[in-house]
Amino acid sequence: GDSVTQMEGPVTLSEEAFLTINCTYTATGYPSLFWYVQYPGEGLQLLLKATKADDKGSNKGFEATYRKETTSFHLEKGSVQVSDSAVYFCALTNDYKLSFGAGTTVTVRA
Amino acid sequence: GAVVSQHPSRVICKSGTSVKIECRSLDFQATTMFWYRQFPKQSLMLMATSNEGSKATYEQGVEKDKFLINHASLTLSTLTVTSAHPEDSSFYICSARSLAGVQMEETQYFGPGTRLLVL
Repeated sequence: GDSVTQMEGPVTLSEEAFLTINCTYTATGYPSLFWYVQYPGEGLQLLLKATKADDKGSNKGFEATYRKETTSFHLEKGSVQVSDSAVYFCALTNDYKLSFGAGTTVTVRA
Repeated sequence: GAVVSQHPSRVICKSGTSVKIECRSLDFQATTMFWYRQFPKQSLMLMATSNEGSKATYEQGVEKDKFLINHASLTLSTLTVTSAHPEDSSFYICSARSLAGVQMEETQYFGPGTRLLVL
């Protein structure tokens, strides 16, 4: 079945550091890929998405590129802020259902 | 756009009582809604898929008689935890897929979640 594997955390960074969270997937067909973010005590918010190979999703300074050859969708941000502290989930959908990675907790210190 | 609300945001109840959680799509029609459960520091576990006007489809291992789902309209789905026990304490999150024209969007929009504590 479909599955998502993402980098284990927690990740602790200083403000303005570069952030990368690795995500790889296993799926049949051509899934759409997503990054969701969950701030403390809140539900998930869609951060960005990509629906086909080589698409780049971007939002709030975050980027991720759909790499079919490596089945990856790594999340990057060049300069993080304290407000980026959250749990980040990589996910895919290949039908009605979303399959989530385990989540990566990111803490950014001032 | 694409806002999903949940009510209540927090609920504390006594063991043996039932609790109803509402999930509403505020600015779009959602023919399909999903209910998830999230344990502390873990990912979301899909409990069931709810289609408007039909019975919910439950994931393996989820008791349909315990977690009653009703999707009465294109903007409202409810999850009722019946005869709740402490082990049902969790964070429950709903999501909705919008219908854009004749095509179903792939993106799911999530509610803010409901924290249930059963004493």
